Formats: sequence, C-alpha cells, structure tokens
Amino acid sequence: EVQLVESGGGLVQPGGSLRLSCAASGFTFSTYNMNWVRQAPGKGLEWVSYISSSRSTIYYADSVKGRFTISRDNAKNSLYLQMNSLRAEDTAVYYCAREYRSLSADYWGQGTLVTVSS
Amino acid sequence: DIQMTQSPASLSASVGDRVTITCRASQSISIYLNWYQQKPGKAPKLLIYAASSLQSGVPSRFSGSRSGTDFTLTISSLQPEDFATYYCQQSYSYPQTFGQGTKVEIK
Repeated sequence: EVQLVESGGGLVQPGGSLRLSCAASGFTFSTYNMNWVRQAPGKGLEWVSYISSSRSTIYYADSVKGRFTISRDNAKNSLYLQMNSLRAEDTAVYYCAREYRSLSADYWGQGTLVTVSS
Repeated sequence: DIQMTQSPASLSASVGDRVTITCRASQSISIYLNWYQQKPGKAPKLLIYAASSLQSGVPSRFSGSRSGTDFTLTISSLQPEDFATYYCQQSYSYPQTFGQGTKVEIK
C-alpha cells in the first residue's frame, strides 16, 4: 500500500525555520518525482515545489523561492522541505504528493500544519 | 504563470442531479488538466487526469472533457458522498496552478 506520511510541522515565530519530512512507503520512491502542495486555513490549494526522481530538476513557487529548499534522500525513501525566513502567510497545511500521469498527483500524505505566529 | 478560472465557486444540488464544473485556462495547456476532490480535513483525491482519463477506482459517474482551453468536470448523478470541494489543476508548466475550487453543497 502506498503511504506518504508528513511530519515536522508546528508553531514557529516569524523569521524562524522549520524542516518538513515526508516518509514514503509501498512504492519505489527513487523512481517517482515528488511535489509539495500547501493549503492555508479555509483557502485553496497552492503548489509549492517539485523535485525530480534523480534530484536533477527542482522548481519553486515564486512565493517561496529563496526561502524554501526541497530535497530528497532516495536511500531513506524521504522527501524534505526546509523552510527558512517564515512569514505569517506561510501558515498552511503542507502536503507531499507523488507525481502521476499527466504530471498529476495520485497519492497525497495526510498533511502537516505549519503555523507562523508570534 | 497560467491562470485557472474555475466556476462556479459554489453550488447547491440534490442527490441524483447532474453537476457541471468548469475551468478555463489563461492559455493553451493541451490536455494537462487534472481534477481533484477534497473533503474537509482530508487530502485531495485525484479524480481525472489528462483532462478526461478516469483515475483507477473512481466511479464512472465522474467524467472530464475539454474544448480548447475550457475544461469540464461532470458528475452524472450526484451521490451523498460527492458533497465536497473540487479543484482543477494545470500541469502543463511550472508553477502548476489550481483553480479556486468549487464547493458542492446539499440542496
């Protein structure tokens, strides 16, 4: 069974840092491209970042570029999102998602809540 | 960035109704359009990919179509478990962008 489990969320002050993790199981993680998508409370979905299976290609949303870093460890079946210089507007549930056909996302984690507040 | 304009923002419908949700892309995205269903407190669920391909395990009452840069999600006969919020997503280019969502409520 495919599973994606995020962790690392929590309450952080503006300007602070947080590292999210996504543990993958039930599939060959090293062969799949992965994404982070977030959802602010009561709002819609916002794509955040993408990393290819080999880590050779990475993209970021303009809203996080220069502050967030996506990475992966294929040996540990894990995806990461290092978030620095956090702002109130980064408050959201963060989901990791596996890329599927047509660059859609067929499996999503349960999400981890990041709250940026003083 | 490609803008996705989804309509309506919300709708009220009864069980058994035919429901249509539309998404318009600001430029050509070929068939790189996907539809998701999200229920409160849950992760999104993939329904349709590549504009009209039904994801495995998704009921056949869900269908997708394309006309140029206009895309449609149709639920042929609304069921109680279909009350949720629906999002379109373009995956033609990065940044991938989502529509604003359509909340389907019980009439």
